[in-house]
Amino acid sequence: SQQGEEDPQALSIQEGENATMNCSYKTSINNLQWYRQNSGRGLVHLILIRSNEREKHSGRLRVTLDTSKKSSSLLITASRAADTASYFCATGYYSGAGSYQLTFGKGTKLSVIP
Amino acid sequence: NAGVTQTPKFQVLKTGQSMTLQCAQDMNHEYMSWYRQDPGMGLRLIHYSVGAGITDQGEVPNGYNVSRSTTEDFPLRLLSAAPSQTSVYFCASSSTQETQYFGPGTRLLVL
Repeated sequence: SQQGEEDPQALSIQEGENATMNCSYKTSINNLQWYRQNSGRGLVHLILIRSNEREKHSGRLRVTLDTSKKSSSLLITASRAADTASYFCATGYYSGAGSYQLTFGKGTKLSVIP
Repeated sequence: NAGVTQTPKFQVLKTGQSMTLQCAQDMNHEYMSWYRQDPGMGLRLIHYSVGAGITDQGEVPNGYNVSRSTTEDFPLRLLSAAPSQTSVYFCASSSTQETQYFGPGTRLLVL
């Protein structure tokens, strides 16, 4: 399976601290995405990093990808209470027929304490 | 734009009943997907469509049926509901297959 595995399963930090979540996967991918899900809501796309990229930034988010280790990390700097949510990594690959498959991990639940 | 909308928000069914979960998007996206989310399991792909008239199975298609007669709509049909189909269902759309835009979800309870 391509499924990513996030680590840790849950993370609790103080407001203002940085939060780091990791994702590991098993086979080759074309790209990797991170999504956020607030309680009771749909998922929201945060960032996509392609297999030939090593690092990407978006506002307070920094994503790294190490294809040799088959792992990615999501760093949220200067966290806010509003960052409290579950974060999912999703591995994407194109099959031989050109169809794109996106496979989600089980998520990291982040709690930011004011 | 409303984005991706789903109805109903919540539904209770008895075992054996059938129902249709509605999904619509107003972004003119070709790609649409249905996922289910269960505690501790992440999201799993049920069915997807790469355009009107074209659908295909995902990871967990059994017990579900889909059709795509228009670009905007992608309904998911439960043929004969079972307690194992109790879950939260998310519809998503995409213009590139890659970045997905999710609806708010339908919470389904099968008794």
